[in-house]
Amino acid sequence: GIQVEQSPPDLILQEGANSTLRCNFSDSVNNLQWFHQNPWGQLINLFYIPSGTKQNGRLSATTVATERYSLLYISSSQTTDSGVYFCAVDPSNTGKLIFGQGTTLQVKP
Amino acid sequence: DTAVSQTPKYLVTQMGNDKSIKCEQNLGHDTMYWYKQDSKKFLKIMFSYNNKELIINETVPNRFSPKSPDKAHLNLHINSLELGDSAVYFCASTPGHPQNIQYFGAGTRLSVL
Repeated sequence: GIQVEQSPPDLILQEGANSTLRCNFSDSVNNLQWFHQNPWGQLINLFYIPSGTKQNGRLSATTVATERYSLLYISSSQTTDSGVYFCAVDPSNTGKLIFGQGTTLQVKP
Repeated sequence: DTAVSQTPKYLVTQMGNDKSIKCEQNLGHDTMYWYKQDSKKFLKIMFSYNNKELIINETVPNRFSPKSPDKAHLNLHINSLELGDSAVYFCASTPGHPQNIQYFGAGTRLSVL
């Protein structure tokens, strides 16, 4: 089956810093989503981005489908950005999301 | 209003017991899911229902049985609980094609003692 690898596994930032999280996937996909799991465990959908670039406030994401990777950019990080960021893909858009192992982000004040 | 709600939020029980987790969504979505998140935070899909019909059934022990009385509800019943069942279980829903964006509940933390 498809493999989803995220890097780095852990990231510690000072408040105000920028960061880039990466998601590599081993096969073509029709659906790619980024999620944030906050320290209380809630999973929030950040982006649906099977290709192209999207921006939402301080967050933006880019997926290069032909090269099988996606990037999540966090600018001017805040302590509330802490948590785990997951990339999830669905090779055939059937709704069966395959999750990466996540990047754990800690933003220090 | 909570879009996808799960009850209970916490569940502590003894090995061998039977327990249920309930999920309801008020988004009008046709498709609902159950995911399991283990202690290493790895998320894996278990089941998916579309309008009360089972469409995804991953390799999950028969002790786990989903039930969908209507398209707004998807419950998970677990028989003969084992220590390895301890995890956080998430319910999710999606409006379906074309984007299949999934919306998650807050999770149910199950601890089997």
